[in-house]
Amino acid sequence: GAGVSQTPSNKVTEKGKYVELRCDPISGHTALYWYRQSLGQGPEFLIYFQGTGAADDSGLPNDRFFAVRPEGSVSTLKIQRTERGDSAVYLCASSLRLAGFNTGELFFGEGSRLTVL
Amino acid sequence: DAKTTQPPSMDCAEGRAANLPCNHSTISGNEYVYWYRQIHSQGPQYIIHGLKNNETNEMASLIITEDRKSSTLILPHATLRDTAVYYCIVRVGTSGTYKYIFGTGTRLKVLA
Repeated sequence: GAGVSQTPSNKVTEKGKYVELRCDPISGHTALYWYRQSLGQGPEFLIYFQGTGAADDSGLPNDRFFAVRPEGSVSTLKIQRTERGDSAVYLCASSLRLAGFNTGELFFGEGSRLTVL
Repeated sequence: DAKTTQPPSMDCAEGRAANLPCNHSTISGNEYVYWYRQIHSQGPQYIIHGLKNNETNEMASLIITEDRKSSTLILPHATLRDTAVYYCIVRVGTSGTYKYIFGTGTRLKVLA
């Protein structure tokens, strides 16, 4: 596709349930980021993938959060035993990284709005 | 932790220049400054970035002080569509791992 695609755009779940959020980056982009944005706040870094591996997962708040990118393209953010405090917009971004040159521009998706009741 | 501080809000008259300041006093020598904006309910959109020199593109200009401790984003002729939250970001890391740290941003309102 032309841009970063995130699904679902909206997800309402109950406390304690398991949730998966999907990100389809721009074709050929090797770098992929997940951010979380609460109301009135700036995006908060969660995890960064370079290819298939998580290069930096220091932003994941606890072990209920996990993300994968098995083939270096699509990524899934997984949240176990959801809590009301997990309610936020989850943003995905991708970036093109060429050998010896990196524009550094992140292309963001529209986000997945998660509401935990 | 965010490495930037910005005023929470600003107003600008339509057609006038909007000057958005940002402090990044702890920035390191190889860390770039990026600006993004976020219009309500959309993902952030890239505007411009720079390291030391001033930069200009079709959207905006970026002025970075000589000591690199602060910068200013300039929208030369603001329109109503420029109403958004503007984020000044420091990109941290090395060529293997980059992380973009957002602050709370400046909410710019362009007034007719």
